[in-house]
Amino acid sequence: GEDVEQSLFLSVREGDSSVINCTYTDSSSTYLYWYKQEPGAGLQLLTYIFSNMDMKQDQRLTVLLNKKDKHLSLRIADTQTGDSAIYFCAERASGTYKYIFGTGTRLKVLA
Amino acid sequence: GAVVSQHPSRVICKSGTSVKIECRSLDFQATTMFWYRQFPKQSLMLMATSNEGSKATYEQGVEKDKFLINHASLTLSTLTVTSAHPEDSSFYICSATGFDRQSYEQYFGPGTRLTVT
Repeated sequence: GEDVEQSLFLSVREGDSSVINCTYTDSSSTYLYWYKQEPGAGLQLLTYIFSNMDMKQDQRLTVLLNKKDKHLSLRIADTQTGDSAIYFCAERASGTYKYIFGTGTRLKVLA
Repeated sequence: GAVVSQHPSRVICKSGTSVKIECRSLDFQATTMFWYRQFPKQSLMLMATSNEGSKATYEQGVEKDKFLINHASLTLSTLTVTSAHPEDSSFYICSATGFDRQSYEQYFGPGTRLTVT
């Protein structure tokens, strides 16, 4: 199948860490992306990881990849109110254009 | 680099009229552009893929006569919603990719909110 699944909602307190999870399906070489969408806006690419990597860190963002379970996570350290948004994971098989988007996780940061 | 713009950002039109949305790659040549539709609180649904100078390839269930896509140049694609109805109200997002960018990577526009009254 082509389903990329995410939990729909996450609420955290300001200053805590947020962990957003995603399960994907493609077992071949794959790019996995995290996008942020603020209300009424387009997609902002946050980071991406290739399927031969286990982890990628970029400032407050850490991406972990469990290839065995096809599980991807995005950890946001020191979550701020400006991080409140919808976060989409997406997968793209290497050598193709087609993106498959997850259902999106709505992150709410409480002050 | 890799900036994609859309115009307009927001449009309201009357039922039965047609509306055109533009998608431009500002700093690269977009050999392929994509059009997505997003319903409230839902994910992006790919509508069609267009290559410059060719007819668009539509995803299953998307009416090609209703959603006309033109990709006449390497920097511009347009989506025309013909005879719009309230159920066409949605958020439309385009993306683009090109050989002078990282191959196969899509760069997304900011989206266009269409409301049909």
